[in-house]
Amino acid sequence: DAGVIQSPRHEVTEMGQEVTLRCKPISGHNSLFWYRQTMMRGLELLIYFNNNVPIDDSGMPEDRFSAKMPNASFSTLKIQPSEPRDSAVYFCASSFDRGFQGEQFFGPGTRLTVL
Amino acid sequence: GQQVMQIPQYQHVQEGEDFTTYCNSSTTLSNIQWYKQRPGGHPVFLIQLVKSGEVKKQKRLTFQFGEAKKNSSLHITATQTTDVGTYFCGGSRLTFGEGTQLTVNP
Repeated sequence: DAGVIQSPRHEVTEMGQEVTLRCKPISGHNSLFWYRQTMMRGLELLIYFNNNVPIDDSGMPEDRFSAKMPNASFSTLKIQPSEPRDSAVYFCASSFDRGFQGEQFFGPGTRLTVL
Repeated sequence: GQQVMQIPQYQHVQEGEDFTTYCNSSTTLSNIQWYKQRPGGHPVFLIQLVKSGEVKKQKRLTFQFGEAKKNSSLHITATQTTDVGTYFCGGSRLTFGEGTQLTVNP
């Protein structure tokens, strides 16, 4: 298996632009997680899906952030409009188990820079 | 809400020295996971602890889960340069600690 796939790996955009991050989880995994990592705030959970349904989105910073999982093999995290403080590394992870009960496999991350 | 605190935030050791990082939760955890992230990389799962007082070993790494299931530790014996990275603990409510960044001087 190729592991969790994220695209793009790097994204540089200007403030106000829309940004879409993509994730393909490991086949057969039932849970998908989006995290944001910064020096100041560490690794933060943004949203968690189980069987394509959002279970916990309490970590989504504000309405500018939205996430979807239209099917078991694809998820997107959208930021509209983007702001410089959104600059971070965004990780997608998937797990066979529900919630935090099993090993999470992280993707390589998308490094987002908002100018 | 639940918080998971890790100490220390940074640790610098000489190669061959031991290293310990501690994870403390404000609430009882059903389980705890440990991950390692190399510089520029992504978190990689190390282990999961579930039982009160559980101790697990992986070569030079020893993981413990407290009796009250509110704290955990990771101990590395005789560190090597390959141990460099940030070690995270994660609690049962999908909360990660801030991590302990380990540097090893050869």
